[in-house]
Amino acid sequence: NAGVTQTPKFQVLKTGQSMTLQCAQDMNHEYMSWYRQDPGMGLRLIHYSVGAGITDQGEVPNGYNVSRSTTEDFPLRLLSAAPSQTSVYFCASRTDSRLGYTFGSGTRLTVV
Amino acid sequence: DAKTTQPNSMESNEEEPVHLPCNHSTISGTDYIHWYRQLPSQGPEYVIHGLTSNVNNRMASLAIAEDRKSSTLILHRATLRDAAVYYCILRDHSGSARQLTFGSGTQLTVLP
Repeated sequence: NAGVTQTPKFQVLKTGQSMTLQCAQDMNHEYMSWYRQDPGMGLRLIHYSVGAGITDQGEVPNGYNVSRSTTEDFPLRLLSAAPSQTSVYFCASRTDSRLGYTFGSGTRLTVV
Repeated sequence: DAKTTQPNSMESNEEEPVHLPCNHSTISGTDYIHWYRQLPSQGPEYVIHGLTSNVNNRMASLAIAEDRKSSTLILHRATLRDAAVYYCILRDHSGSARQLTFGSGTQLTVLP
């Protein structure tokens, strides 16, 4: 099992560019989430999904889109990158609500 | 989700036990107490969780006060690899869409 795989690990974007952060899990987990972590801060929820075809907004959804066409994949799209979106992005998944989440190793994004 | 309060930082000597406190005075009856840790430059890692009774696993023990308004994560013999930010999080398992709400956590430093 690879767990939760995030790509790329590092990315530099120019203001206004768009890109997609990839997240894939091979554990057949229903629940998947995207978080962002700014320097010295805890993680904040961007979007989440409770199963294929179902997504919802978290605490800080503006500027981001998600879709969940398969159980395995949960990509995060930045529509028009802004310097305020410079952050480390983590994807997480879980199965049963009584169990813990598995996190990916993160994507470090810099917007210049 | 109910709020948790943790010390910003703690120090411990290597091979000694560490007790990481968490206050959650507004915890509801259906909130589970979850602990995650985040090693430098990595995603968060699930440690342990419990509802009312003390819990043990291979990583740590969780001691929950009788009134559930506080809890303590216990690392029985700290190693240098345990240096991380430790997050205490309350999560209601009855809501299937409930995600994790991270605070700022406790930065644990382990001294050799």
